[in-house]
Amino acid sequence: EAGVAQSPRYKIIEKRQSVAFWCNPISGHATLYWYQQILGQGPKLLIQFQNNGVVDDSQLPKDRFSAERLKGVDSTLKIQPAKLEDSAVYLCASSSVRARANYGYTFGSGTRLTVV
Amino acid sequence: GQQVMQIPQYQHVQEGEDFTTYCNSSTTLSNIQWYKQRPGGHPVFLIQLVKSGEVKKQKRLTFQFGEAKKNSSLHITATQTTDVGTYFCAVPKHEYNFNKFYFGSGTKLNVKP
Repeated sequence: EAGVAQSPRYKIIEKRQSVAFWCNPISGHATLYWYQQILGQGPKLLIQFQNNGVVDDSQLPKDRFSAERLKGVDSTLKIQPAKLEDSAVYLCASSSVRARANYGYTFGSGTRLTVV
Repeated sequence: GQQVMQIPQYQHVQEGEDFTTYCNSSTTLSNIQWYKQRPGGHPVFLIQLVKSGEVKKQKRLTFQFGEAKKNSSLHITATQTTDVGTYFCAVPKHEYNFNKFYFGSGTKLNVKP
């Protein structure tokens, strides 16, 4: 099966600019996650979707970050305006109830964001 | 929510030596997952442990879940250069939650040929 697709792979922006990331999960995976991974740290959960509804966005900085998952498939994560501390890899992951026990989360390759 | 400590932070070994990383929680875990992230790559799922005292093997990798379900370990026998990467444990946000995982800080393994 095809993996989790993310784009772009790399993005460099100036602080206060806006940026958007796109994710296409594995077909049939109802649950989609966005994680932020700062260099040298473990992934930090930002938001979880179940189909097109938000399940948990408690760690999403809502003053600048937003995410949506229209039609329960693709998702976009937006940062507006970006700060220097937003420099990180943004990982999208998906899972299904059936797959979770044996396959855990399937992560995309991530988008490496550098804010200058 | 669950918090987890992972040790050591770094480990440098000679090829052929063994390696172990530990994940410790102050609260009982319903389950725990392990992931490997190669340099420049993304986390890849290795295994999930659910039962108290569970031991699972994948070739040279041995995973253990403690009897009290508060700790877990990953042991690699006779490391190879292909084992290089960061190993993360991931624990559910809330007990009995199989749907939302917090990642540890990881153990970065370097293997010298």
